[in-house]
Amino acid sequence: GENVEQHPSTLSVQEGDSAVIKCTYSDSASNYFPWYKQELGKRPQLIIDIRSNVGEKKDQRIAVTLNKTAKHFSLHITETQPEDSAVYFCAAPSNTGKLIFGQGTTLQVKP
Amino acid sequence: NAGVTQTPKFRILKIGQSMTLQCTQDMNHNYMYWYRQDPGMGLKLIYYSVGAGITDKGEVPNGYNVSRSTTEDFPLRLELAAPSQTSVYFCAISRDRRYEQFFGPGTRLTVL
Repeated sequence: GENVEQHPSTLSVQEGDSAVIKCTYSDSASNYFPWYKQELGKRPQLIIDIRSNVGEKKDQRIAVTLNKTAKHFSLHITETQPEDSAVYFCAAPSNTGKLIFGQGTTLQVKP
Repeated sequence: NAGVTQTPKFRILKIGQSMTLQCTQDMNHNYMYWYRQDPGMGLKLIYYSVGAGITDKGEVPNGYNVSRSTTEDFPLRLELAAPSQTSVYFCAISRDRRYEQFFGPGTRLTVL
């Protein structure tokens, strides 16, 4: 069936440390993997995405890696800052037009 | 270019009342979605549409109805409001399921 599992559900790091969030998906036909950030009281917004023809993509302090064989992808945030504190969602498309979201990870960056 | 607009921003309903949440886009995207997000929880898909005249159920469709007569509009109808429908409702659009979803600002609904 269609499922995206996301771990951990909460993550607390010291400012300057790295944070890693992992997701696994079930639909082997999925080929697009976005990550969304939702600040408190705001709408989710895309921060980075990756397609299945590449294994890694970077954008400044954030990066996403994809392992299609194992059906998992991860978000890496380096040199974390307090403004990185938010809820992060991974997602993967189903073959029926839907985007399946993970359960979310609440990241807290302590100054 | 406003992207995705939702009205109203806030609403309080009494049990059994009805209302329509409006979603309008000016990006000419075919795909439109309705999600609900309960406090501290993730996004649950209510209904989605891949184009005008086509709608399909998501994960939690009970108690809701939608229509898609134009590319721009995708209203969500609550017929008999229940306290369990207290939530924040987000409308989203995308060019295709393999492209970025743009979310509206949300509607905060309370049913008392």
